[in-house]
Amino acid sequence: DAGVIQSPRHEVTEMGQEVTLRCKPISGHNSLFWYRQTMMRGLELLIYFNNNVPIDDSGMPEDRFSAKMPNASFSTLKIQPSEPRDSAVYFCASTRPDYYEQYFGPGTRLTVT
Amino acid sequence: AQSVTQLDSQVPVFEEAPVELRCNYSSSVSVYLFWYVQYPNQGLQLLLKYLSGSTLVKGINGFEAEFNKSQTSFHLRKPSVHISDTAEYFCAVSSSRTGANNLFFGTGTRLTVIP
Repeated sequence: DAGVIQSPRHEVTEMGQEVTLRCKPISGHNSLFWYRQTMMRGLELLIYFNNNVPIDDSGMPEDRFSAKMPNASFSTLKIQPSEPRDSAVYFCASTRPDYYEQYFGPGTRLTVT
Repeated sequence: AQSVTQLDSQVPVFEEAPVELRCNYSSSVSVYLFWYVQYPNQGLQLLLKYLSGSTLVKGINGFEAEFNKSQTSFHLRKPSVHISDTAEYFCAVSSSRTGANNLFFGTGTRLTVIP
């Protein structure tokens, strides 16, 4: 299995630009999670989906952040407009109902200048 | 609700020495416990997990952890560390009620193995 796939691996953008991060979960997994990791705040859950439906988005920082899951094999996390404080590593993870753990992708390192 | 406390943010240790990374949790229901490892510039990888049964759990790379319900702890140990063990280690907890959909992570412990 290819594991969770994230793209791009690195993104550098200027403040005010739109940023789109992409995730492909492991085939057969029906839950997908977006996390943000920073030195100051550690690992934070932003949002998670079950069967393509957003279940808990209470971790999304503000309206500039949005996430979609149009089908079982693809999800996006969009930041518009981006700000320097959004600089972080963003992880996607997936799992399925009979599993107890989550499987993480390699992450996208976002730098907003 | 569950929460996890990792008492040490950084742990330096000499190569071939033993190490223990501490983790305490709080929960009002039955828990599942996990240790994940994050190598530099990589995602989190499952090291080991406790679901039920034997309280001593063995994981990959020679690591083990012991579930202690009375002390609400799940400390990670390795008898002899290697340079390649240098990484960030995260303890996590979920409940038997919510499973993998609600995984609470600690703040991480950075293990640095000194040659």
